[in-house]
Amino acid sequence: EAGVAQSPRYKIIEKRQSVAFWCNPISGHATLYWYQQILGQGPKLLIQFQNNGVVDDSQLPKDRFSAERLKGVDSTLKIQPAKLEDSAVYLCASSPGSGGETQYFGPGTRLLVL
Amino acid sequence: DQQVKQNSPSLSVQEGRISILNCDYTNSMFDYFLWYKKYPAEGPTFLISISSIKDKNEDGRFTVFLNKSAKHLSLHIVPSQPGDSAVYFCAASARDNGQNFVFGPGTRLSVLP
Repeated sequence: EAGVAQSPRYKIIEKRQSVAFWCNPISGHATLYWYQQILGQGPKLLIQFQNNGVVDDSQLPKDRFSAERLKGVDSTLKIQPAKLEDSAVYLCASSPGSGGETQYFGPGTRLLVL
Repeated sequence: DQQVKQNSPSLSVQEGRISILNCDYTNSMFDYFLWYKKYPAEGPTFLISISSIKDKNEDGRFTVFLNKSAKHLSLHIVPSQPGDSAVYFCAASARDNGQNFVFGPGTRLSVLP
């Protein structure tokens, strides 16, 4: 079974630029999560989708971050414009059901904002 | 407010000995707990879970203990192997309330040969 795929693996941008990350969850998984992991901290949930609907985006900085999962499969996370403090690893995870269960993570995208 | 704490940023253990990683939480509504292991440049991988109806769960060399009254859980690895060297994250959720997981900051385990 293929795991969660993410691209790109690394991205370096300057502040105020835009960036987008892509995630393809495990086939058949209904729930998709985006996390931000800052160095030295645990992953922090940004947004949770169930199929193509948003379940929880309470910690998503909506003035600059957006995410979509239009067809209920893959998802994109966008930052526009980026700030220095957005430097982090962005992790995508998926789970088969409606949440509150074991999540399977992708390798992450490491973002550096200069 | 850090709801899940892992107060030891790092831990070094000799190969073959026991590794004990600790996790404390503040939210008494948490009822489901996971441990994840993370190697550099990889995403976290699920290791073991425990529900609040149990106080122990075992899977091979890995055992998780839960003390609900103390709001404390621990992961025991016996015997420790060099391949266990990684960052270990504790995560907790109030699953009955549909709450998502909250992760601790992680503990970096180094198993020395």
